[in-house]
Amino acid sequence: EAGVAQSPRYKIIEKRQSVAFWCNPISGHATLYWYQQILGQGPKLLIQFQNNGVVDDSQLPKDRFSAERLKGVDSTLKIQPAKLEDSAVYLCASSLDYRMTNEQYFGPGTRLTVT
Amino acid sequence: AQSVTQLGSHVSVSEGALVLLRCNYSSSVPPYLFWYVQYPNQGLQLLLKYTTGATLVKGINGFEAEFKKSETSFHLTKPSAHMSDAAEYFCAVSDYSQFNKFYFGSGTKLNVKP
Repeated sequence: EAGVAQSPRYKIIEKRQSVAFWCNPISGHATLYWYQQILGQGPKLLIQFQNNGVVDDSQLPKDRFSAERLKGVDSTLKIQPAKLEDSAVYLCASSLDYRMTNEQYFGPGTRLTVT
Repeated sequence: AQSVTQLGSHVSVSEGALVLLRCNYSSSVPPYLFWYVQYPNQGLQLLLKYTTGATLVKGINGFEAEFKKSETSFHLTKPSAHMSDAAEYFCAVSDYSQFNKFYFGSGTKLNVKP
């Protein structure tokens, strides 16, 4: 079974530029999560999708971050414009269905450096 | 609100020694608890989880954890450390009243000395 795929693995941008990350969850998984992991901290949930709908985006900085999962499969997370404090690893995870299971499977992450 | 505290951001043990990584949680509902491991440049991998039932939970790679409600703890142990155990370990609690939202601790880096 293929795992959660993410791209790119690394990205370096200057502040005020925009960037997008892509995630393809495990086939058949209805729930998709985006996390931000700042160096020295644990992952923090940014947004949770169930199929193509948003379940929880309470911690997403909506003035600069956006995410979509239009067809209920893969997803993109965008930052526009980026700030220095956005430097972090962005992790995507998926689960079969959050209403039935709390087991999440994580991708390798995208390491973003904002200079 | 839920929260997780991991005592000790860095732990160093000798190969063959006991591994003990500490995790305390705060939860307004009966907790579901997890330990994840993260190797460099990789995502998080589930080690073990507690939902209900037996309070001593066994996971992969010889790790186990015990849920102690009275102490609000879920410490991770392994009797004998291997070099391959060197990684960062995260404790997490999920809140089923909030869409099974995960709250992670800040992590503990385990160093294993030869």
